[in-house]
Amino acid sequence: AQKITQTQPGMFVQEKEAVTLDCTYDTSDQSYGLFWYKQPSSGEMIFLIYQGSYDEQNATEGRYSLNFQKARKSANLVISASQLGDSAMYFCAMREEAYSGAGSYQLTFGKGTKLSVIP
Amino acid sequence: NAGVTQTPKFRILKIGQSMTLQCAQDMNHNYMYWYRQDPGMGLKLIYYSVGAGITDKGEVPNGYNVSRSTTEDFPLRLELAAPSQTSVYFCASSPRVSNQPQHFGDGTRLSIL
Repeated sequence: AQKITQTQPGMFVQEKEAVTLDCTYDTSDQSYGLFWYKQPSSGEMIFLIYQGSYDEQNATEGRYSLNFQKARKSANLVISASQLGDSAMYFCAMREEAYSGAGSYQLTFGKGTKLSVIP
Repeated sequence: NAGVTQTPKFRILKIGQSMTLQCAQDMNHNYMYWYRQDPGMGLKLIYYSVGAGITDKGEVPNGYNVSRSTTEDFPLRLELAAPSQTSVYFCASSPRVSNQPQHFGDGTRLSIL
C-alpha cells in the first residue's frame, strides 16, 4: 500500500525567503509519480508540480521546485521568494504510474502542511 | 473551458436524507474520482471510474454510490445521510496519461445535522 507522510503540520516563512516543505513516501511500485497541490483558504485544489520516479532531473515550475531523493523516498517542495499569496495548505500526493487496469492513477494524499507567510 | 464543475457548492442535510452531488467535466478525460476531505486531513478516495460504465471502490466507499453513464458526468449518491459524512467533497478528472495531474472541482461542502 502506498503511504505519504508530511511531518510538518505548520510552517512559517518570512516574505521573500525560501521554504522547504517535507514529504516522504512509501511504495513498492517501481513506476510512480509525485504531485504537490496547493489549497488556499478558498478551498480549491491547485496543481503545482509533478515528478516522475524515472525522471533524472528535479522538476521545476517557476518558483516551485521539487527536491527528489529517490533512495531516501523523499520529494520535498521548495518555494523560492515566498509571497503572501503562498499562504495555504500544501499537499503531497503519489500515484502508481504503470497502467495495471482498474485502480490505476489513484492519488494517495498526505495530511498536508499549512504554510503561513509573514510580511 | 469550465474544467470540472461540481454542484451544489454547499448543502445541509438532515440525518437519513439522501442527495446526489453532481460532477461534470468537459476535458474528455477517461478517469474521474470522488474524494472527501475531513477537517485537518488530506483527501481520501471514495470511488473512481476509468471510463463510462466502469466504477470501483476507493478507500472509504461505505454510504456512497456512483454511476458513470457518460464520459462527462460522475454523480455521487449519498443514501441515508449520517453525521460522519459531514465533509468537503471533491470531484476530479484526469486523462489516461501518466504524467498528467488530476484536475479538481471547487468542492461541495456538506453538513449533516
